[in-house]
Amino acid sequence: QVQLVESGGGLVRPGGSLRLSCAASGFPFSDHYMTWMRQAPGRGLEWVSYISGNGESIYYADSVKGRFTISRDSARNSLYLQMNRLRPEDTALYYCAAAILSLKGNPLFDSWGQGTLVTVSS
Amino acid sequence: EIVMTQSPATLSVSPGERATLSCRASQSVYNSLAWFQQKPGQAPRLLIYGVSTRATGIPARFSGTGSGTEFILAISSLQSEDSAVYYCHQYNHWPSYTFGQGTKLEIK
Repeated sequence: QVQLVESGGGLVRPGGSLRLSCAASGFPFSDHYMTWMRQAPGRGLEWVSYISGNGESIYYADSVKGRFTISRDSARNSLYLQMNRLRPEDTALYYCAAAILSLKGNPLFDSWGQGTLVTVSS
Repeated sequence: EIVMTQSPATLSVSPGERATLSCRASQSVYNSLAWFQQKPGQAPRLLIYGVSTRATGIPARFSGTGSGTEFILAISSLQSEDSAVYYCHQYNHWPSYTFGQGTKLEIK
């Protein structure tokens, strides 16, 4: 059974930093694309960053490029998101998700964790 | 960026009836269209992918149709547990995946 458990959220001042973690289990971690998605209060879902199974392919949304860094540790079956220079508009529930289904073409992030809340406020 | 537009924003339907949720893409997403269900305090749950394929464990009451830019999620024999927000999602334009703003389904 796929399990994704996020941690590391909290309240931080604008300009501050946070590191989110996602502990994965129930699937061969290094074989699958992973992502961080976020959902701001009262708003829809937005992709933040993707990383391939071997960590060699990484993508960032323009809104976080240069400030956020995604990484993964296969030995620990964990995904991370280092968030620097945080802004109030980064306030959101951050979800870790995995592309488990083996589909032809682009990955579909079909398994999601419960999320961790990040609040950026002075 | 592909804009996904869902309608209606809110839908109120009686138990046992059928609900029809719409999703329109600003350009073709071919068959790379999925539907997620999200209940309060829970993670999004995959219902449908590839326009019409139900995910594991999803009952046959949920069905998806459409192609190109117009898609429908139909839920028949509505139950109270179907009360949730439903999101359509295009995964055709990598890496710029996008989601609709959601349809809130209320069971009367």
